Amino acid sequence: AQRVTQPEKLLSVFKGAPVELKCNYSYSGSPELFWYVQYSRQRLQLLLRHISRESIKGFTADLNKGETSFHLKKPFAQEEDSAMYYCALGGGGSYIPTFGRGTSLIVHP
Amino acid sequence: DADVTQTPRNRITKTGKRIMLECSQTKGHDRMYWYRQDPGLGLRLIYYSFDVKDINKGEISDGYSVSRQAQAKFSLSLESAIPNQTALYFCATSDNRDISYNEQFFGPGTRLTVL
Repeated sequence: AQRVTQPEKLLSVFKGAPVELKCNYSYSGSPELFWYVQYSRQRLQLLLRHISRESIKGFTADLNKGETSFHLKKPFAQEEDSAMYYCALGGGGSYIPTFGRGTSLIVHP
Repeated sequence: DADVTQTPRNRITKTGKRIMLECSQTKGHDRMYWYRQDPGLGLRLIYYSFDVKDINKGEISDGYSVSRQAQAKFSLSLESAIPNQTALYFCATSDNRDISYNEQFFGPGTRLTVL
């Protein structure tokens, strides 16, 4: 069975501090991992996906198959990064993603 | 721009009422989904549909039903609303031609309150 774990419900940091939002997954096949972001009163939108290996808004995430993790990182948090972040797992021809419970990131000035 | 829209955006109803939430998309995607979002529980899948004649239950389908009226329309019904169905409901689509990425495109959400 697919499972995504985001251990932190809330992550609170100050502007300029590094940020790491944790995501661990359980999947027997070849995973496809995503991070979605939901800003206040807005719809969820894709932030990045592991297959693209890109940096979006300063965020990066590396798939670590050994540790079954896909942590989201940013070296210097900004106030506008405050949002809810969801890690999602798909793959193996399944078009039914599994979402984690989300982590609320608050960046204080 | 191609989009996913939901109506209504907000709805307050009473216990026992039947209500329908509607989703329309102009993205040309075949796959459509309904989720509910609750604080601390994240996103949970209610129903999904891969084409007009395909309807599948998700993780939490009890108390809900859906109708796929056309490729572009996917409605969610609460047959007899109860207070614990108070939540934010999202419709989403994904591209049937995208065999690699499975990216989901979300609507703006419907905030439902059941009194």
